Amino acid sequence: DVKVTQSSRYLVKRTGEKVFLECVQDMDHENMFWYRQDPGLGLRLIYFSYDVKMKEKGDIPEGYSVSREKKERFSLILESASTNQTSMYLCASSFGGLNEQYFGPGTRLTVT
Amino acid sequence: GENVEQHPSTLSVQEGDSAVIKCTYSDSASNYFPWYKQELGKRPQLIIDIRSNVGEKKDQRIAVTLNKTAKHFSLHITETQPEDSAVYFCAASKEGGGADGLTFGKGTHLIIQP
Repeated sequence: DVKVTQSSRYLVKRTGEKVFLECVQDMDHENMFWYRQDPGLGLRLIYFSYDVKMKEKGDIPEGYSVSREKKERFSLILESASTNQTSMYLCASSFGGLNEQYFGPGTRLTVT
Repeated sequence: GENVEQHPSTLSVQEGDSAVIKCTYSDSASNYFPWYKQELGKRPQLIIDIRSNVGEKKDQRIAVTLNKTAKHFSLHITETQPEDSAVYFCAASKEGGGADGLTFGKGTHLIIQP
C-alpha cells in the first residue's frame, strides 16, 4: 500500500519566517510534486521533481523553493512566509511518466 | 501553459440518477486526463483516467469520454449513491522529458440527494 506522509497536519507561522514542509513516500516513486489547494481554485502545481536533485517549476513557483536530496523525500520551502501563502499544501508522488499520483494527507498552513 | 476549465462548480442530483461533469483543456499536446475524487477532509484519490489514444473508458458505474478534436472530456457517473458525494477534479497533462505535473480544473462539488 502506497504511503505518502507529510511532516505536519497543521502549522501556524508568522510573516517573514522561513517554513519547511516535508514529504516522504515509501514506494520508490521517481516523481514527486507539491500543490496548494485553495477554495474555488482547485489544486495548483508549485514545483515537481522527476529525479534526485532535479526540480521543475510548476504554475505558481513564486515565493517557494524545493529540495530533493533523497529519492523518498521532497521538501517545500517558503523563504519568507507571507499571509497570501496561507493554504492547504498537498504533496504527491508517482512512478515515472504519466501515472497515478498518490497524495499525502496535506498540511494546513496559516501565516499570521 | 495548459488551462483546464471545469463545469459545473456544483451539481445536485437525486440518488439513482446520473451525473455528468465536463472539462475543456487548451493545450492540444496534452495526452493524459485523470479524474480525482476528494471526500471531505480527505486526500484526492484517482478514480479513472484516460489517455489520448482511446475515446472512452469504463469502470463499473464510472465512465470517461474524450474528444481530442474539441479538446474536451467528461466524467459520467450512473446510478449515483450517497457515497458518490464529494468534490471531483479533472486534470490534464502531457508526456515530457521527465515528469509533468497535472493542471487541475477548479472542481465540482457533487451532492447526492436522498
